[in-house]
Amino acid sequence: KNQVEQSPQSLIILEGKNCTLQCNYTVSPFSNLRWYKQDTGRGPVSLTIMTFSENTKSNGRYTATLDADTKQSSLHITASQLSDSASYICVVSLKMYSGGGADGLTFGKGTHLIIQP
Amino acid sequence: NAGVTQTPKFRVLKTGQSMTLLCAQDMNHEYMYWYRQDPGMGLRLIHYSVGEGTTAKGEVPDGYNVSRLKKQNFLLGLESAAPSQTSVYFCASSDGEERETQYFGPGTRLLVL
Repeated sequence: KNQVEQSPQSLIILEGKNCTLQCNYTVSPFSNLRWYKQDTGRGPVSLTIMTFSENTKSNGRYTATLDADTKQSSLHITASQLSDSASYICVVSLKMYSGGGADGLTFGKGTHLIIQP
Repeated sequence: NAGVTQTPKFRVLKTGQSMTLLCAQDMNHEYMYWYRQDPGMGLRLIHYSVGEGTTAKGEVPDGYNVSRLKKQNFLLGLESAAPSQTSVYFCASSDGEERETQYFGPGTRLLVL
């Protein structure tokens, strides 16, 4: 069964500190892995998308890494800000042979991150 | 460019009532999706559409129907609401294919009493 597990479930850090969120998956065959940020009461917003051949991708203070061999990904946040308080969702996409990835996405439950001043 | 919009933002229904959630996108995307998000669970796909006039079932389609009569609109219907359908519903759109980013709407909070 295709699964995406995220850890920790929740995390509290002080403003200015760094943190790393983890994502392990069993999705196969793998196409790509995405990280989304979801603010409370809002829809998810894409941070990064990585394919099998990409090991790392950055978006400002967010850096995602991917190890397709061990099926692990991490999202590193540098110099955290209060606005980083949100849920971070890892999403893994199946490789769809017939075209279209509409039903090939497996969502993790997310990590709830709180940044304290 | 409003992106993806959803109406209504919040709704309370009684068991057995029906309603339609509207999703609209102005990015000319081919693919549109309806998800539900429940506490402690990841987003789950209800139905999706790969183009105008087409729809398909996702992971949890029971109790819902959809229509895509126009490319920019995707409607989600609840024929006879049940308390188990209390959830936050998100619409999303993308330009198709596996690598394309999904753009999400702000969500509709539905409470079924």
